[in-house]
Parts: sequence; structure tokens; C-alpha cells
Amino acid sequence: DTGVSQNPRHKITKRGQNVTFRCDPISEHNRLYWYRQTLGQGPEFLTYFQNEAQLEKSRLLSDRFSAERPKGSFSTLEIQRTEQGDSAMYLCASSLSQGAGELFFGEGSRLTVL
Amino acid sequence: GENVEQHPSTLSVQEGDSAVIKCTYSDSASNYFPWYKQELGKRPQLIIDIRSNVGEKKDQRIAVTLNKTAKHFSLHITETQPEDSAVYFCAASKGNQFYFGTGTSLTVIP
Repeated sequence: DTGVSQNPRHKITKRGQNVTFRCDPISEHNRLYWYRQTLGQGPEFLTYFQNEAQLEKSRLLSDRFSAERPKGSFSTLEIQRTEQGDSAMYLCASSLSQGAGELFFGEGSRLTVL
Repeated sequence: GENVEQHPSTLSVQEGDSAVIKCTYSDSASNYFPWYKQELGKRPQLIIDIRSNVGEKKDQRIAVTLNKTAKHFSLHITETQPEDSAVYFCAASKGNQFYFGTGTSLTVIP
């Protein structure tokens, strides 16, 4: 499968715990995006990478959130000291960098914070 | 930043009828407008897109129109089928970030 893959697909955690999600983009895509989606809403932009450089971060990305893409391939999104309000679907997407082009989404990682 | 508004939030149509979903955007620099379909529990998938140098684009039963002056764009689905039932999201982009609308839940009644 050469699509965007994310894991874990589901994560249930207790408030205050740390969680980490991984995204493997399509191999030739150098742009990688993280979005958050809650029920009944569209994807909300969190951050984006061009290769290994994190070029933009949303103000939604509090200090408890950190994302990395160390070698310009896979990316991780870590949430520290989780809160119930962090419960959401975290979507990863990738694209080629020539102008604006199609985003290819992963299946998402659903986080439930108890 | 960009603000994308999408209407209606829910839409029910009889099978065979047409469905229209409308979006407005705020940033005149946005130049790429994709539409994504998301079925329950699945990933969003691109169904059609349009760039700012084009006013209309059609792909079989799906068409998108863009009015740059008014900063709005619309998705038109003709001859709807039950498998068209899903949530549809519009988005606007000027190259890097993509800003999504809040989605329209379309139900096609057989």
C-alpha cells in the first residue's frame, strides 16, 4: 500500500498521560500536514512540514503539542499531559510541493482521553 | 488567515435529484479549491478541484463552479445516487495551508 499510513488507529488514554502518533506519508511527497478533526467539523490545520523543516504551526498547537519529521520522511505528533479536550481524530496528509496540489489523507488516529 | 464557510450543514435529496453545496472564502490570494468526500470512518478523498484561472470544471456527475469576484465556489452533484451519501468538505489554499469548511452531510434517499 503506497498511501499515507497512520498508527495507532485508535488510542484511549487517561488524562495527564502522553501520547504519540506516527504518520508515514507517500514516499515521494515532501510536504506533510497534521490536522485535527472533531465530530461535525472540518479538518483544522495544526502544522506542516516541507521535508524536515516545520514551516508553519497553528495557534491551536499549544505547548503540549510537538511534531517532528526528523529525516523528512515519517512524522510524529506528540501530545503531552493530555486533556479531555484533546479527544479528536488526528489526520495526517501529504502532498507534492509544486504549488497547491492534492492532499492525500491517512485514515487518522482517533484519540480518546478519559 | 483564511476563513472558509460552508452551507448547508446537512442536505437530504431524493435519489436522482441534484445537490448543491456552497462555500465562501475570505482571502483573495487563495487560488486552489478542492472538494473532499468523507464516508463514515474513512479518510477524506479528493473528488474534484478547481484553480482560480478556471470558472467551472466538470467530471461526470460532479461539477464545481468558482466566482473569484464574489469569493465563492460551489459543488454540484447531478443524478444523485445512494453511494453519494457522505460528508463533503470544501477547502481553500494559496499554496501551503489548506483551510477547510465545516462540512455538509449529504443523504441521498433511495
